[in-house]
Amino acid sequence: ETGVTQSPTHLIKTRGQQVTLRCSSQSGHNTVSWYQQALGQGPQFIFQYYREEENGRGNFPPRFSGLQFPNYSSELNVNALELDDSALYLCASSLVPARVTEAFFGQGTRLTVV
Amino acid sequence: GENVEQHPSTLSVQEGDSAVIKCTYSDSASNYFPWYKQELGKRPQLIIDIRSNVGEKKDQRIAVTLNKTAKHFSLHITETQPEDSAVYFCAAPSGSARQLTFGSGTQLTVLP
Repeated sequence: ETGVTQSPTHLIKTRGQQVTLRCSSQSGHNTVSWYQQALGQGPQFIFQYYREEENGRGNFPPRFSGLQFPNYSSELNVNALELDDSALYLCASSLVPARVTEAFFGQGTRLTVV
Repeated sequence: GENVEQHPSTLSVQEGDSAVIKCTYSDSASNYFPWYKQELGKRPQLIIDIRSNVGEKKDQRIAVTLNKTAKHFSLHITETQPEDSAVYFCAAPSGSARQLTFGSGTQLTVLP
């Protein structure tokens, strides 16, 4: 086990709804990165949070937003869900962002948008 | 930004044979190269990584080699076993967040 936990594990939402996914980072890790993995593809970087602020963002629209809390846990929020948002959402925690270290993924949240 | 290309997309080998998966990257500043194994329905798991100050790293039946001049790195699995069957992803860091850019994945099938 990596020590990174995500909730919920599975979720079904209707197009147009909003969803919040949660991630608890590994003990001692202050950086959380979120990735989207569509079926048959590699994970794609959504954004990263470090010290409660966004520290970098991939090519995702503003309806994807996030938060990081003082205990380093994080949330990913997606508004106005689209069918293409159906994917496995992974979070990874690491020790510091600027110096690359091992990124360990949580078990993921499988989001299905119908 | 970083561009990571991975080949082949599918690979079938007989049990006991070796498997090699190759990746190229574009950002010469990249200095860390992990490999992940993903079984069906599960998370990607880090299986081995290499930093740019070494050319090769081994861990039992798994090894990774890095050629910084040519900007490519490879995963080598020897004495393959059926439980090695999975999708393998290479990755390289880029951007201010040093986020990982992943290859497109290789579906490895080890035939008994």
